Order: sequence, then structure tokens, then C-alpha cells
Amino acid sequence: DTAVSQTPKYLVTQMGNDKSIKCEQNLGHDTMYWYKQDSKKFLKIMFSYNNKELIINETVPNRFSPKSPDKAHLNLHINSLELGDSAVYFCASSHLRRGDAEAFFGQGTRLTVV
Amino acid sequence: AQSVTQLGSHVSVSEGALVLLRCNYSSSVPPYLFWYVQYPNQGLQLLLKYTSAATLVKGINGFEAEFKKSETSFHLTKPSAHMSDAAEYFCAVSGRDDKIIFGKGTRLHILP
Repeated sequence: DTAVSQTPKYLVTQMGNDKSIKCEQNLGHDTMYWYKQDSKKFLKIMFSYNNKELIINETVPNRFSPKSPDKAHLNLHINSLELGDSAVYFCASSHLRRGDAEAFFGQGTRLTVV
Repeated sequence: AQSVTQLGSHVSVSEGALVLLRCNYSSSVPPYLFWYVQYPNQGLQLLLKYTSAATLVKGINGFEAEFKKSETSFHLTKPSAHMSDAAEYFCAVSGRDDKIIFGKGTRLHILP
């Protein structure tokens, strides 16, 4: 019954590898996001999708590629992982493209690059 | 463009004392404002939100916040702190560009 679920919860991998994080929401929302939270807890938006269409792409290296097969799923693929990619990645979703709609967050994926 | 500034990266209060977490915003359009809480190793959970209906907003767990346009503030308060309130708190702002922008967070410590 989890509203926004991410897998995996923990991911440890070596530099240079390619990895994916999956996100699914069962809230019927049409907008989904990826946020990155660094070691100082700072949250920065990376991407936003509305009905499978990319609407926000903040200054993120092109090694990061989101994919939305349908409006309930937004996956994040990362190529050639670097040490600086270590962080907690949060998926979120919200209802409609309205500024007053709050975002619902997943539990996060802690990515550690060694 | 929107932004929020949270004053104090760490705040400590005694159990039973007033909690006050400060947030100031900047927005070129009437803002929507949010407070989220993050418990250790968990995602963010909405505490409350301001959407221009009422300036005093009540949220979950006894928290409330007051929108003051003249001060561009949206401070979070709780009359009496409980040990379970220890967490990271984020103020956030949204305009009409599909982005929710978060402050840098305030870690609330509750002293016994």
C-alpha cells in the first residue's frame, strides 16, 4: 500500500558502473520528480515529468537519464558513476501541475559509490 | 524565481518548551509554502501547507505556521515540544513552474 515506492533502498557500487533506481506511485498523480539529497541534507530537484513528458531538467550531468514508461513510473538511470554521485535520491509525485499541490515522497535510495 | 531561507541549521529546545523554526521566502508570484519533516532514514512527510486560504495554517502533530506577507516569513511553531519531534524540518516554496524548492533544512533537537 506504499504510495511512492523506490527500489532499491540501498545501492553500493563501484566508480564507472551504470545503475538504475526505480520509482512507482499508486496515487494516480500525473507529475513525478527526482530529488538529490546530499550529505548536508540539502534537497535539489533534478527532474520533473508530467504525463510521461519531461518538464523540468535542472543542471544535471547527462550521465543521469530519467525514463517514464507511464505516468505511474519514473526511473533514473545513471551512467559512469562517480564518487560525487553518492547521495540519497528521492522520488516524489504530486497531483496536477498546480503549485499548491504537495509532493509525496518515497523512502529514498541511498547510493554509495566506492 | 522562488527561494527559501531557513535560519539556523540546528535548533535545540527542551521537552515541553515552545518550538520555533524560522523560514523566509522570496517569490516573484504569490507563493505556495510548505513545511515538511524528515525522520532519520525516511522520506519527507508534509506537515502543513499555505495556499492563500488562511494565513494561520494548522498541520499534523500539533504544528502550525503563520504566513506573513509583510515579513516574507512562514515560521513553524509548536507550543510544547515532544521527544518524538526530533527530526529534520524543511521549508519549501512553489510557484507556478512545477518546482518545489526546499530550504537547507533545520535539525530540531529535543533536550530531556
